[in-house]
This record gives sequence, structure tokens and C-alpha cells, in this order.
Amino acid sequence: QQQVKQSPQSLIVQKGGISIINCAYENTAFDYFPWYQQFPGKGPALLIAIRPDVSEKKEGRFTISFNKSAKQFSLHIMDSQPGDSATYFCAASGSARQLTFGSGTQLTVLP
Amino acid sequence: EPEVTQTPSHQVTQMGQEVILRCVPISNHLYFYWYRQILGQKVEFLVSFYNNEISEKSEIFDDQFSVERPDGSNFTLKIRSTKLEDSAMYFCASSPGQYNSPLHFGNGTRLTVT
Repeated sequence: QQQVKQSPQSLIVQKGGISIINCAYENTAFDYFPWYQQFPGKGPALLIAIRPDVSEKKEGRFTISFNKSAKQFSLHIMDSQPGDSATYFCAASGSARQLTFGSGTQLTVLP
Repeated sequence: EPEVTQTPSHQVTQMGQEVILRCVPISNHLYFYWYRQILGQKVEFLVSFYNNEISEKSEIFDDQFSVERPDGSNFTLKIRSTKLEDSAMYFCASSPGQYNSPLHFGNGTRLTVT
């Protein structure tokens, strides 16, 4: 029940395209859903986060869509750029402060 | 911008040896964490630390592991009697402490057990 399932495992998008990464969770006690971006040799860096009282949050080219009834949330990267090429992790946490991470999506944006 | 720093960046040790991984969290942060990432796999929670004691730990964090905040700035993870399967990237993280405040991760220590 603690799992967060993430798909796809890898994604290739043309420059300027939209990248979409999906996550699903089971634990209804989760109430914080961040997305992390990780470049090779670096630690995960917080990209954007959402709480379940809103259905969408947008920061620049990055948007989280959240569907509480379906227990799903997704990351949309608009106008994807080669510099966005990285591994993206969704995560979730609840009253216990530790993050439960998804399995990661390796995004490649072709120039 | 303040950051979490970890040393060493790479540690090679022989099976059965003890290792200590070191972290300097962001100075005004109150919660400290260790996570690990086995190559190509997801990031897994090990332990959280607050007010000089462990607040939560995962099933992975067994008696082989221990954490310590020996002074006001360092936060360490000790692994006793290392095993081959301990080979992973170990990330330290810290957060200010407010509920669901963002975690700031260091760049990790790559531990290789031979």
C-alpha cells in the first residue's frame, strides 16, 4: 500500500513536444506529491509539488495534474527542451515525513 | 543558495568493513534523512532524524546501520560489516521541518563494496 507506481520507464520526445509522466498511488493517507528531477551524478532536486486540495499546479513549463478519486497524478512538461533530459521521479508522503518514490522515468529530449 | 554537502563522493570498501558516510545539512534545517539508490533503481528511504534521535526508519535500516549527529553541523551514516548488496548511491537530505516542507538532497556518496 506504500507503493507509488510510475510510467513510462523511459520517454523520448522531440524538442518542443510535450512530455507526460504518470504516477499512481494506493495509500489514501498520502497528502503531498512532489516531482523530483535528477541529472547524472547529482541528487534529486525538487521540481514542483502539489497537495490534494487542488487539481492542477503550474510552474513555468511544468504542470502537475492531480486526480484524487483515481489516486493518480501526472507531470506535463510543455515545450520540452534538450536540457530537460534527466530522470524524473514522482513521490508521495503523508503524516510520516519520508518520501515514497516512484521507479523513475528517463526522459530524453531530442534536438 | 545553501546546499547539502556529502563526503566522500565515492567510497570503495571491502566486504565486512565499516564505513562512515558524512553529510553537512543546510544549517537552519531541523529534519535529516538518508536515502539510498541502487544503480538503476528507485530512491529508497532509510531513516529520518530529528531532535537528536531517529524519528522513522525503514525495513532496510537494520542493526547494521546507525546514524549520528556528532556536532552541530555533521550528520553521519555508519554501515557496519558491509555486504556486497550495500553497494549503492547514498543520499543525505534535509528539510526545514514544517509539515511537507521540501527535502533538499545532496549529490550523494557512491559506495562500492568489493
